[in-house]
Amino acid sequence: DAGVTQSPTHLIKTRGQQVTLRCSPKSGHDTVSWYQQALGQGPQFIFQYYEEEERQRGNFPDRFSGHQFPNYSSELNVNALLLGDSALYLCASSLAEGAWNQPQHFGDGTRLSIL
Amino acid sequence: KNQVEQSPQSLIILEGKNCTLQCNYTVSPFSNLRWYKQDTGRGPVSLTIMTFSENTKSNGRYTATLDADTKQSSLHITASQLSDSASYICVVHPLNDNYGQNFVFGPGTRLSVLP
Repeated sequence: DAGVTQSPTHLIKTRGQQVTLRCSPKSGHDTVSWYQQALGQGPQFIFQYYEEEERQRGNFPDRFSGHQFPNYSSELNVNALLLGDSALYLCASSLAEGAWNQPQHFGDGTRLSIL
Repeated sequence: KNQVEQSPQSLIILEGKNCTLQCNYTVSPFSNLRWYKQDTGRGPVSLTIMTFSENTKSNGRYTATLDADTKQSSLHITASQLSDSASYICVVHPLNDNYGQNFVFGPGTRLSVLP
């Protein structure tokens, strides 16, 4: 049973560029959440996708956008990259039904470095 | 403002020793409190989930306790192993957050187990 997979594992970009990160949820899960984790800090919620729509958004600018596909996989897009966007980007999947009491399953993240 | 604080920020112990990590939160009301283990360069992995009515939950050598009156939780690790070296993150799930969008993450405690 494959868990949450993310690609790529590492990425180096320069300021102003655009990046797309990808996530495949755990088998059977229908909800995908994206987080940004700076070094030494806890994850910060970016947004969540369910039924191909953004269900809620955290305190992140419009430069951060996403998409969910019919197979529940998801993409995170970041435009006009800033140095401060350097972080580990985590994808977590869950089942919408009973999400309140079920653990989120995280991927190993994409380490994004902005030069 | 909903916040989760963890102490200590970092901890070094010898292999075989026990340790206790602390989590204080202001999230109220809440539905459950979670502890995650995050190895360096990996995504968080769920250790325990306790509802507001539970006092303790074990997962092997990991035992989490919860005091909802004082808004404190602890994670006790027994007979530590080198593989316990990781960050441990406390997460509180607010009540009425049915879809798991508003988890409040702590900054984590970095544990190093030395031989």
